[in-house]
Amino acid sequence: QQPVQSPQAVILREGEDAVINCSSSKALYSVHWYRQKHGEAPVFLMILLKGGEQKGHEKISASFNEKKQQSSLYLTASQLSYSGTYFCGTEVDNDMRFGAGTRLTVKP
Amino acid sequence: GAVVSQHPSRVICKSGTSVKIECRSLDFQATTMFWYRQFPKQSLMLMATSNEGSKATYEQGVEKDKFLINHASLTLSTLTVTSAHPEDSSFYICSAEPGGTQETQYFGPGTRLLVL
Repeated sequence: QQPVQSPQAVILREGEDAVINCSSSKALYSVHWYRQKHGEAPVFLMILLKGGEQKGHEKISASFNEKKQQSSLYLTASQLSYSGTYFCGTEVDNDMRFGAGTRLTVKP
Repeated sequence: GAVVSQHPSRVICKSGTSVKIECRSLDFQATTMFWYRQFPKQSLMLMATSNEGSKATYEQGVEKDKFLINHASLTLSTLTVTSAHPEDSSFYICSAEPGGTQETQYFGPGTRLLVL
């Protein structure tokens, strides 16, 4: 079952923060985050495996809730280079599914 | 950083022909490689997981006889789209996991396939 991502799109000014959410109706084995720029292959950002985990660095980080059904990606003090479509990928029962994506646009 | 290459980057072929796409990890060994497909303006779809020296594991709904995957070495996996049809036109992307760790994966630049 495809995870639900929100928001579908977000427009920010440089320096603003954003949060992208990814949720599943089932407890997940793992959640992955990717960024894809238009016309290019995705770039892997990080994987979270443990409930309650927080990962990343001060600019781009992610959390995985205790129930392992919800993850959030945090983009802090956004830069122009953060623009792109962000996907979460979720793994459950050896099945990998991707969210529909969140289109992030960072403007000067 | 780690580099994964894909070849060709673009291919146009006639309906009924087969197309082979190569995915290479250039500076690391990848025990696991993944193949994805992405239609325009849509999300990624994992097609199969390829482990060196063993048969690929296909996702539900992906025909293994149509999408042949070979992972002959720790640096090379190939995807062959057999008897391609226009509906197979898509962006095919591979990724490679260094040394079997789940902590990261590196994507190839993708192959755009257009079947006429």
